[in-house]
Amino acid sequence: DVQLVESGGGLVQPGGSLRLSCAASGFTFNNYYMNWVRQAPGKGLEWVAYISSRSSTIYYANSVKGRFTISRDNAKNSLYLQMNSLRADDTAIYYCAREGSGEFPDFWGQGTLVTVSS
Amino acid sequence: EIVLTQSPGTLSLSPGERATLSCRASQTVSSTYLGWYQQKPGQAPRLLIYGTSSRATGIPDRFSGSGSGTDFTLTISGLEPEDFAIYYCQQYGSSPPFTFGPGTKVDFK
Repeated sequence: DVQLVESGGGLVQPGGSLRLSCAASGFTFNNYYMNWVRQAPGKGLEWVAYISSRSSTIYYANSVKGRFTISRDNAKNSLYLQMNSLRADDTAIYYCAREGSGEFPDFWGQGTLVTVSS
Repeated sequence: EIVLTQSPGTLSLSPGERATLSCRASQTVSSTYLGWYQQKPGQAPRLLIYGTSSRATGIPDRFSGSGSGTDFTLTISGLEPEDFAIYYCQQYGSSPPFTFGPGTKVDFK
């Protein structure tokens, strides 16, 4: 079965850093493009970042550009999101999502909660 | 950045009724790059429709998508109890950032 399991969330102070991980299994990870999407408490979905299968193409939302870095390790079947200079409005559940059906994010993990607060 | 607007914000309907959800883009979106998701409380989003009108794997045929240019529609023909949820459109794959609409909540009348 396809599985995406996020980890690394938690409570961090404003200005701090956090690294999220997404462990993939049940599919050939290095064939798939990947995304991070977040959802603030009680709010809608916000796309955060995208990385191609060999990391040659990377995109970011304007709200995180220059602060967040998406990366992957195909040997470890893992996706990462390095988050620096965190702000209160970065508080959200962070989902990793695989680009699949029709080249759309077709499979999502259950998310990891990041809380930025003093 | 392409801004997506969804209407209505909330749709109050009864089981068996037809739901029509709208997604409007601030500029033309190729039909290839418009999709719809369903999200229930405490769950991750689930892809329903990609490429404007193609159903994702396992999605029942009461869900259908249509549209072109800047106006897109998700139709649920005959609401089942499990369909009461929030629905998001997204433009993805062409012009980053890959924005979502704010969502339409379908709740019980």
